[in-house]
Parts: sequence; C-alpha cells; structure tokens
Amino acid sequence: QLRLQESGPGLVKPSETLSLTCTVSGGSISTGSYYWGWIRQPPGKGLEWIGNIYYSGSTHYNPSLKGRVTISVDTSKNHFSLKLTSVTAADTAVYYCANPTGVATVFAFDMWGQGTMVTVSS
Amino acid sequence: ETVLTQSPGTLSLSPGDRATLSCRASQTVSGSNLAWYQQKPGQAPRLLIYATSRRATGVPDRFAGSRSETDFTLTISRLEPEDFVVYYCQQYDNSLITFGQGTRLEIK
Repeated sequence: QLRLQESGPGLVKPSETLSLTCTVSGGSISTGSYYWGWIRQPPGKGLEWIGNIYYSGSTHYNPSLKGRVTISVDTSKNHFSLKLTSVTAADTAVYYCANPTGVATVFAFDMWGQGTMVTVSS
Repeated sequence: ETVLTQSPGTLSLSPGDRATLSCRASQTVSGSNLAWYQQKPGQAPRLLIYATSRRATGVPDRFAGSRSETDFTLTISRLEPEDFVVYYCQQYDNSLITFGQGTRLEIK
C-alpha cells in the first residue's frame, strides 16, 4: 500500500523559497497514481489546495498563488516536490502531500501524508 | 473557480443525534467530483465520501452523502463521540480543486 511522507525545513525566512519533498513508499511514483497533490492548512484554519502534478508531467496550480508555485517529480528518487517562492508569514501552515489511489476516487485524495509544519519567520 | 460554501460553521449536537452538514457550490459540480473529509485534531484529513455518495473504505454506514443540484449534504445518522470534529467538502473541476471552509461539529 502506498504511503506518503513529507520532509523539508520547518523554518523559512520571509522572501525566501519554501522547498518540500513528498517521498512515496510501497509503490512507484510513475504508476501509483493519476496525480500527486499538495494541500496546506494555516494554523486554526481550513484546507487550501496548492496544486497537482499528473502522471503525464502536467501541472495545475491554485490561481491564488500567482505563479509562486512549482511542483515537480523525481522518478529516480520516487518523490515529488513543492517549491513556493517569495514566502511571507501568510504561507505559514501545515503542508500535506496527498493522492487518489484508485480510479473510483480519482477526484479525491484518499491517501495523505502526516503533514509537516512550516513557519515563515526571520 | 468553483467556490464551496459550507454551513453551518459550527453545529452543536448531542451523541445519538442526527447531523446534517451542507456544502453549496457556486456553479454546477459533477456528482463524480464532490468529496467529504473528516479531520481530527493534529491529524491529516480522512476521506469519508467520494463521488457525492460513495463511502470510502472503512467508513461506517452512519455517514451518507447526497445531492440536490448544487447543494451537497453530509448526513451522520447517529452521532458517536468521535464524530465531533471538523468536516470539509472538496470539488474537482477542470483540474482545479477547491475546499469548503469547514463545519465544526461540537458536543452540545
């Protein structure tokens, strides 16, 4: 069964780039899902979708993030990554990676990582 | 972008009660593309319902989803103590995803 694990710095300075990795275990990132996604949750607030990367390599991002987001896949390391540039305190959140595991659930996230807290502060 | 509006923001009920949570879409959403999640404190969300009304693996049958045009509903028929947490709806449209702002279920 697929498992997801986020990793990366827990503290990022304002104006710098947030970089996170989601490692996929128990299966291949090349064939394990139709797409892989990132979602975040500021402290005490709701869920915000960041973007997805598809098996084809195409990406789709939340328009509200205004071109600051890049999601990529490294098949050799069986992981996918998130980069968010020019961060501010508003980017402080728990960041989750997630994916749909089957055809039936293709429009929903039924597998989630445990989440990693990222704080933007000098 | 499809906006999902959940109501109420907080719902106060007692164990054993029936809970009705609403999620209204700003435009037409395919029934295949609407999901519900449950989130307990300090945990990642858990998929409860996908495709409007299909229960995810391991989800008790007291959870049910339904739809009337752009209004989607999550019903919990007999509340258990562990059900008093936060619930989110989510839609997928044209490769863009949005979540509702959440409904918190609290013990009355």
